Amino acid sequence: DTGVSQDPRHKITKRGQNVTFRCDPISEHNRLYWYRQTLGQGPEFLTYFQNEAQLEKSRLLSDRFSAERPKGSFSTLEIQRTEQGDSAMYLCASSPEQGSGFEQFFGPGTRLTVL
Amino acid sequence: DAKTTQPPSMDCAEGRAANLPCNHSTISGNEYVYWYRQIHSQGPQYIIHGLKNNETNEMASLIITEDRKSSTLILPHATLRDTAVYYCIVDNYGQNFVFGPGTRLSVLP
Repeated sequence: DTGVSQDPRHKITKRGQNVTFRCDPISEHNRLYWYRQTLGQGPEFLTYFQNEAQLEKSRLLSDRFSAERPKGSFSTLEIQRTEQGDSAMYLCASSPEQGSGFEQFFGPGTRLTVL
Repeated sequence: DAKTTQPPSMDCAEGRAANLPCNHSTISGNEYVYWYRQIHSQGPQYIIHGLKNNETNEMASLIITEDRKSSTLILPHATLRDTAVYYCIVDNYGQNFVFGPGTRLSVLP
């Protein structure tokens, strides 16, 4: 399968712990995105990378959140000192830099539960 | 806020065409219309996108009005597996998709 992959698929943690999620985009895609989705809502944009450069961050991305894409390939999203309000599905997507419309292709998501 | 308006829910009989409308009256000239769907607990699935012309692929057809202020996604022969939330998004350069609540399509046997 050459689609976007995310790991882990599920994570349960206790409040105050740190968690890290990984996203592997489609190999030839330069752009990588992170979204968060809570129950009953559409995905909300968090941040966007073009190659290794983080070009945009949402105000939703508080100081406890950090994302990296060190070599322009896979990306990690870390949440420090998790809170119950961080419980959500975290989605990663990738898209090519060139093309007719920059459509994004999503991974299966990581479901985070903070107890 | 999302730049699109969609009905919250729709029903469609299995085997019939499902026509999902989307209003995007403030769309600008360089913004594309994208459609995604999301089946429960899965990541959104890309369906189709277009700029001005109507588009068709193996999944669906996209009809964009001449003034580009609205569009319709057509699933020609809906099946039970098409039951999902369908999102219409407008964006240029794909840098910041803003998802609204979408349309929950229920395909009924």
